[in-house]
Amino acid sequence: EVQLVESGGGLVKPGGSLRLSCAASGFTFSSYSMNWVRQAPGKGLEWVSSISSSSSYIYYADSVKGRFTISRDNAKNSLYLQMNSLRAEDTAVYYCARDWSDWGQGTLVTVSS
Amino acid sequence: AIQMTQSPSSLSASVGDRVTITCRASQGIRNDLGWYQQKPGKAPKLLIYAASSLQSGVPSRFSGSGSGTDFTLTISSLQPEDFATYYCLQDYNYPPRFGQGTKVEIK
Repeated sequence: EVQLVESGGGLVKPGGSLRLSCAASGFTFSSYSMNWVRQAPGKGLEWVSSISSSSSYIYYADSVKGRFTISRDNAKNSLYLQMNSLRAEDTAVYYCARDWSDWGQGTLVTVSS
Repeated sequence: AIQMTQSPSSLSASVGDRVTITCRASQGIRNDLGWYQQKPGKAPKLLIYAASSLQSGVPSRFSGSGSGTDFTLTISSLQPEDFATYYCLQDYNYPPRFGQGTKVEIK
């Protein structure tokens, strides 16, 4: 069974940093591209970033480019999102997703003073 | 960037009704489109991939159609557990883009 478990969310002040993690199990992690998607409270889904299976290809939404960094460790079956210079508008539940088929339960990031 | 226009934004329907939700892409995306169901406080769940392929385990009352720019999600007979918000997603190119969502409510 595919399992994706996000962690690392929490309350952070504007300008601060957080590192999200996504622990994967139940599939060959190194064979799949991975994605981060977020959902602001009461809003729709917004793609944040994607990384190919070997990290050769990385993409970011314009809204996070230069502030967020996606990475993965295939030996640890883990996906990461380093978020710097956080803004109030980054407040959202952040989901990791395998390709576009399987999603984690999400982790809440709140940016507030 | 490709824009996805989803309609309606909400609808009210009764159990047993046939429900149709549409997504229009601002340019052709072949059949690189998926449909998701999301219930409050839960992660999105993939229903349809490649525009018309039913994800494993998803009831057959869900179906998808379309290619190019116009796509449709149909629920043939709405069930109580289908009241949720539905999103389309184009994964033809970057940036991937979701539709605005359709909230299906009980009439």
